[in-house]
Amino acid sequence: DTAVSQTPKYLVTQMGNDKSIKCEQNLGHDTMYWYKQDSKKFLKIMFSYNNKELIINETVPNRFSPKSPDKAHLNLHINSLELGDSAVYFCASSQDGAGVGRYEQYFGPGTRLTVT
Amino acid sequence: LAKTTQPISMDSYEGQEVNITCSHNNIATNDYITWYQQFPSQGPRFIIQGYKTKVTNEVASLFIPADRKSSTLSLPRVSLSDTAVYYCLTRDSGAGSYQLTFGKGTKLSVIP
Repeated sequence: DTAVSQTPKYLVTQMGNDKSIKCEQNLGHDTMYWYKQDSKKFLKIMFSYNNKELIINETVPNRFSPKSPDKAHLNLHINSLELGDSAVYFCASSQDGAGVGRYEQYFGPGTRLTVT
Repeated sequence: LAKTTQPISMDSYEGQEVNITCSHNNIATNDYITWYQQFPSQGPRFIIQGYKTKVTNEVASLFIPADRKSSTLSLPRVSLSDTAVYYCLTRDSGAGSYQLTFGKGTKLSVIP
C-alpha cells in the first residue's frame, strides 16, 4: 500500500492557468506538508498543516493555497501559473504538530509541474 | 539570514566510510536534526534523527556536538546503491520565525 500518494505525476500547463495537485496519506498522520524542489534540487517547505494550524512559508506567493477536505488529504491549488512555478512538488505527512519537525516525514513520489 | 549548509557533493569508493556534515547555526532550542536520502525521481526518505550526542541505526550514525550547531551523518562501508542526495533538516530559529529548513543537499557519488 502506498503511504503518501500524489496525482498527477506529471502536469504540463500554460502560463496563467489554474491547477491543482492532490495528495492523500493513509498513515493516519495529523500533519501534512507541501514542498517545492527546484531545478537545483533545493527543497523548500511551502506549507505545513493540521486541523489546528496552518503554517505558511512567508516566501510562498499567495497564488498558492493548500486545501484540506479531511485529515487524509491536502491538495495544492495554484492560480495564475507562472514560468517560475515549474518544479517538482512533494507532499509529505508526519505525526507531528504543524511545523514542528520532531517526527519522520513520509514523502510522496512528487508531481513534476512544467509551465510553458 | 540563518542558513543550513552542507557540501554540494562528495565522492567515495565502495566500502569506505562517508561523513557528511551539516551546519545549522541557528537551530531552534529543543529541536531535532533529521537526515533524508533522495534518489532520482523519488521523494526523500528518512535515514536518521537525533537531538544530541550520537545516534545509530541499522543504516547510519549521526554525531551531534554539544553546541548542536552542526551534525555529521556517517554512512559505514558505502555501496553503489548509496549514491544519492543527502539532506539535513532542522527547524531554523533565524529571523524570529521557526521554519523547517532543508540544507541544499549533498550529492554522494560512490565509485566502484
